Amino acid sequence: GAGVSQSPSNKVTEKGKDVELRCDPISGHTALYWYRQSLGQGLEFLIYFQGNSAPDKSGLPSDRFSAERTGGSVSTLTIQRTQQEDSAVYLCASSLGGTGRVNTEAFFGQGTRLTVV
Amino acid sequence: GQNIDQPTEMTATEGAIVQINCTYQTSGFNGLFWYQQHAGEAPTFLSYNVLDGLEEKGRFSSFLSRSKGYSYLLLKELQMKDSASYLCAVVYGNKLVFGAGTILRVKS
Repeated sequence: GAGVSQSPSNKVTEKGKDVELRCDPISGHTALYWYRQSLGQGLEFLIYFQGNSAPDKSGLPSDRFSAERTGGSVSTLTIQRTQQEDSAVYLCASSLGGTGRVNTEAFFGQGTRLTVV
Repeated sequence: GQNIDQPTEMTATEGAIVQINCTYQTSGFNGLFWYQQHAGEAPTFLSYNVLDGLEEKGRFSSFLSRSKGYSYLLLKELQMKDSASYLCAVVYGNKLVFGAGTILRVKS
C-alpha cells in the first residue's frame, strides 16, 4: 500500500477482554516495529520483525502481549486479559530493511488508540 | 544497553534558535535519525546522519559526532508550528531504536 495502515484507529474494550491490533506495512518493507506511546510520553519499543521472525521482542511488557507476522507483510499485536495500564496509542512502523538511510528510515502508521475501561 | 538520552522538555521563543541534544551508546552504531511528532500525530522524518558533521536542510540542521556518541538538532527562526516532540533514533545493526523524545514548546 501507499503507507502504513493500522486498524482499528480507536478501540475501547473492557478490562479482562482480549484485543487484536493490525498493521499493514508498506509493500516490500521487510522490517516492522511495534511501539506503545502513553499520553505525553515517548515511544516505548515493543517488538521488531525482520520478515516473519522477531529477532527482538524484548520490549513486550508481559506474557499477555504477543505479536505475529505472516507472509512477511501483515502483523497482529494481541493483548490478552487487558488491563487499564494497557491504555495507550499503539504505533506500527515499517522500513525496507537492511542498512543505510534508505533501508532503515521508518514510516509510521497513524496508530491505534486503545482505551481499557 | 542502547540508552538514548535527550532532555525531556525545552521551551524557546518564536524567532529564536534552539538546540536539542542526544547522546547514545556508540557500540554497533549505524546511523542516526531525527523525527518530529506533533501531538496526536505519527512521527515523521526530519534528518539522517551517518558521517560526522553537520547536515543542513532549511531551518533545520543536524550534527553528529560518532566518537562522542553525540548528536544535536538545531532549529533556527523558530515558528509556533515547531512546537512538537523531537525524537532521536539510532540504528544499531539494522534496527532502529528511539529515544523518549524532547517536547519543544515555542512561545510568542
